[in-house]
Amino acid sequence: DADVTQTPRNRITKTGKRIMLECSQTKGHDRMYWYRQDPGLGLRLIYYSFDVKDINKGEISDGYSVSRQAQAKFSLSLESAIPNQTALYFCATSDRGFEQYFGPGTRLTVT
Amino acid sequence: AQSVSQHNHHVILSEAASLELGCNYSYGGTVNLFWYVQYPGQHLQLLLKYFSGDPLVKGIKGFEAEFIKSKFSFNLRKPSVQWSDTAEYFCAVNAGSSNTGKLIFGQGTTLQVKP
Repeated sequence: DADVTQTPRNRITKTGKRIMLECSQTKGHDRMYWYRQDPGLGLRLIYYSFDVKDINKGEISDGYSVSRQAQAKFSLSLESAIPNQTALYFCATSDRGFEQYFGPGTRLTVT
Repeated sequence: AQSVSQHNHHVILSEAASLELGCNYSYGGTVNLFWYVQYPGQHLQLLLKYFSGDPLVKGIKGFEAEFIKSKFSFNLRKPSVQWSDTAEYFCAVNAGSSNTGKLIFGQGTTLQVKP
C-alpha cells in the first residue's frame, strides 16, 4: 500500500464551487505539506503543518484553506474555485530529516 | 527571497549520451539540497540528497550530483542516459537553520531521451 495517498485523483469542478482534496499518510510523520504544480513553475508551497496544532501558510495560500484532522490526515480546501486554480496538487510528508515523500497527486480542473 | 533556478527547461538527448542538468540557488547559509524525478504520470521520487560531507553525492539509477558551494550550484549528472530516464527533474533546496523542512523547488527540467 502507498505511504501517502490522495483523493480524488482527478476532479473537474465549476467556478465558484467548494472542493476539498484529502491526503492521508501511514509513514507516521509529523510534517505534512500541500503543493501545486504548474507547467514551467515547478512546485509551489500552499500550506504546511508541523503537527495537528501547527499550521502555516506557504508562498501561495490565497484562495486555499487547510485542516489537519489528525497526524495522518491533511486536507486542502478551495472555498470558491476559480479557473486559475487548475493545476496538479501534491501532498507530501516528512520527518525532521527534510526529505519529503510525495503522494500521487490530484489533477484539478476548474471550468 | 530564496530561489532555485534550473537553467535547462527542456533537454533532448539520444540514449547513451551524457547528461548534466544545472541547478543554482540563492542563499548564503547552510543548505540541504535535493534532486527529485517525476516519471510520466507518477509522483515525485527522491533521486539524491546532500546534507553535508562529500560534495559529490550518488543517487539511485546511476545519477550523481556535485555541490559547489562557491558557485551556489548542485548540478545533476549521469554518464549515459537511457530511454527510461525520460522524466521531469526538479532541484529543491531547504535553506536556513530554522529546521522548517520547507523546500523551495526549481521550475523543473523535462528530459526526453530518444531511443
